Amino acid sequence: DAGVTQSPTHLIKTRGQQVTLRCSPKSGHDTVSWYQQALGQGPQFIFQYYEEEERQRGNFPDRFSGHQFPNYSSELNVNALLLGDSALYLCASSPLPGPSSYNEQFFGPGTRLTVL
Amino acid sequence: DQQVKQNSPSLSVQEGRISILNCDYTNSMFDYFLWYKKYPAEGPTFLISISSIKDKNEDGRFTVFLNKSAKHLSLHIVPSQPGDSAVYFCAATEYGNKLVFGAGTILRVKS
Repeated sequence: DAGVTQSPTHLIKTRGQQVTLRCSPKSGHDTVSWYQQALGQGPQFIFQYYEEEERQRGNFPDRFSGHQFPNYSSELNVNALLLGDSALYLCASSPLPGPSSYNEQFFGPGTRLTVL
Repeated sequence: DQQVKQNSPSLSVQEGRISILNCDYTNSMFDYFLWYKKYPAEGPTFLISISSIKDKNEDGRFTVFLNKSAKHLSLHIVPSQPGDSAVYFCAATEYGNKLVFGAGTILRVKS
């Protein structure tokens, strides 16, 4: 079991450009969440996908969008990049939680995005 | 609005002694709390969790305590080992939804 994988590992972009980050969930997981971790801070929730639909969204602008494919893999797209978008972007996968249960989220190693 | 706070940016402990990491939260709707450990260049790894209906959960050297009235939880590591040196994140969730993380505490265990 390869666990959660993310690509690319590192990425350098300039302001105004667009970027796409990719995530493959752990085998057997159908739910993918994306987090942004700025330097010195904890991860912040961007959004979660299940059955190819955005299930929940955090406090991020519309420049951040996502997609989930039938094989449960996911992409995070960021348009019109700003310097403040420089961060580690983490993908986490899990089975969909029940109404009163919690399923552990497994994290990938992240993609380090630098915006110049 | 920081719903989960870890007020100690760093902690240094001697090998073999106890490490105590603290976390406070403000949202009384949180029903599940977790601790994650993160090494450089790796994603966070789940360490231990506790449901809001319990006040203690133990797993080997790791114990998490929850004080709901104070909205406070702590992670105890006994005995601490050099390999425990990492960043520890406290996180909380409401009915299995998004994880809300604290800013993390850097633990250094000196040998």
